[in-house]
Amino acid sequence: NAGVTQTPKFQVLKTGQSMTLQCAQDMNHEYMSWYRQDPGMGLRLIHYSVGAGITDQGEVPNGYNVSRSTTEDFPLRLLSAAPSQTSVYFCASSRQTSGRIDNEQFFGPGTRLTVL
Amino acid sequence: SQQGEEDPQALSIQEGENATMNCSYKTSINNLQWYRQNSGRGLVHLILIRSNEREKHSGRLRVTLDTSKKSSSLLITASRAADTASYFCAASTGSARQLTFGSGTQLTVLP
Repeated sequence: NAGVTQTPKFQVLKTGQSMTLQCAQDMNHEYMSWYRQDPGMGLRLIHYSVGAGITDQGEVPNGYNVSRSTTEDFPLRLLSAAPSQTSVYFCASSRQTSGRIDNEQFFGPGTRLTVL
Repeated sequence: SQQGEEDPQALSIQEGENATMNCSYKTSINNLQWYRQNSGRGLVHLILIRSNEREKHSGRLRVTLDTSKKSSSLLITASRAADTASYFCAASTGSARQLTFGSGTQLTVLP
């Protein structure tokens, strides 16, 4: 199993550009999520999904869109990049029971994004 | 908002010593999880303790949970240089559909 994969590993954008960060998992996990990590801080939840076709906002959703058309994929879209979105982005997946994530989350290796 | 706050922010010890990290949280939890992050890498799950548990062990790791004090601690015994990493606690609260992470403890184990 590849686990959770993310592409690209690194990306530099100019202010105003848009892009999509890709995330895929091959563990048949229903729950997937996106976090951002800023220097010296923990992870903050951007968006999450409890299954195909179902997404919801986390703590810091502004400026980001997500969709979940398949169980495997959960792309994160930056609509109009801003310097404040410079960060490391992590995707994670988890089994869930009755809509609850009571189990460990598996993280991808991260995407390091710089917005100039 | 940060649900979990770790203490200390940084810890430096000699190989073979024990390392203790603490986490405090604000509201009732479903479970509390600990993760490790090596520099430049993703997070790796270490241990999960549920709200009705008080102590849990996994290898050299021991986690305790005190729901009356809204706090948890992670003990790493007989530390090794390879344990050098950042350690984060993460709280599952409410509907248990979100994890809220603390800001982490940077552990350095000197050989």
